Amino acid sequence: DAMVIQNPRYQVTQFGKPVTLSCSQTLNHNVMYWYQQKSSQAPKLLFHYYDKDFNNEADTPDNFQSRRPNTSFCFLDIRSPGLGDAAMYLCATSRGQFTDTQYFGPGTRLTVL
Amino acid sequence: QKEVEQNSGPLSVPEGAIASLNCTYSDRVSQSFFWYRQYSGKSPELIMSIYSNGDKEDGRFTAQLNKASQYVSLLIRDSQPSDSATYLCAVLMYSGGGADGLTFGKGTHLIIQP
Repeated sequence: DAMVIQNPRYQVTQFGKPVTLSCSQTLNHNVMYWYQQKSSQAPKLLFHYYDKDFNNEADTPDNFQSRRPNTSFCFLDIRSPGLGDAAMYLCATSRGQFTDTQYFGPGTRLTVL
Repeated sequence: QKEVEQNSGPLSVPEGAIASLNCTYSDRVSQSFFWYRQYSGKSPELIMSIYSNGDKEDGRFTAQLNKASQYVSLLIRDSQPSDSATYLCAVLMYSGGGADGLTFGKGTHLIIQP
């Protein structure tokens, strides 16, 4: 089945230790998004790729970076995780930019010790 | 500040009754509206999308949109215990440069009581 896959589902890291989260899709969608969702809060868009074009939200900390080496894969790098970065990280895809429906992966729960 | 407002709840509804979830948004030019369901610890799952004023029905779900009032709602008929979840309203927001992306509300926690 076509889908959005995130690995790992659960990630534990230490304060300040870099971590990479992975997202892949078999939908052949042009756009891939990364959201951060903290407990009882709304998902917050960090950035998105439209094809190879990277679009960063104005309030996304520099600590968060992303790479999209090809259509199918997108990575979220957290260079120096802090305790406040513990959250669910959601990857989503859409065919077109924003106006099309976004489909979410299962998420990666990040714990920072 | 572009915002999407939802009552956080919890909203408690007896099994078999109609659950009514409401959402207001601040951006007058928004054209695309979505309802997502999110179970605890899981990712959001699309329930409905709506783009035009009026009602849109899909099975037990009906989305209602009133752009003049900047109001969108979701009705769930014949509520089932499996409908217990958080329902997120998402609105596509725009700025002078074009679409800014989806802004989500914090969600309404719905509890269906057997």
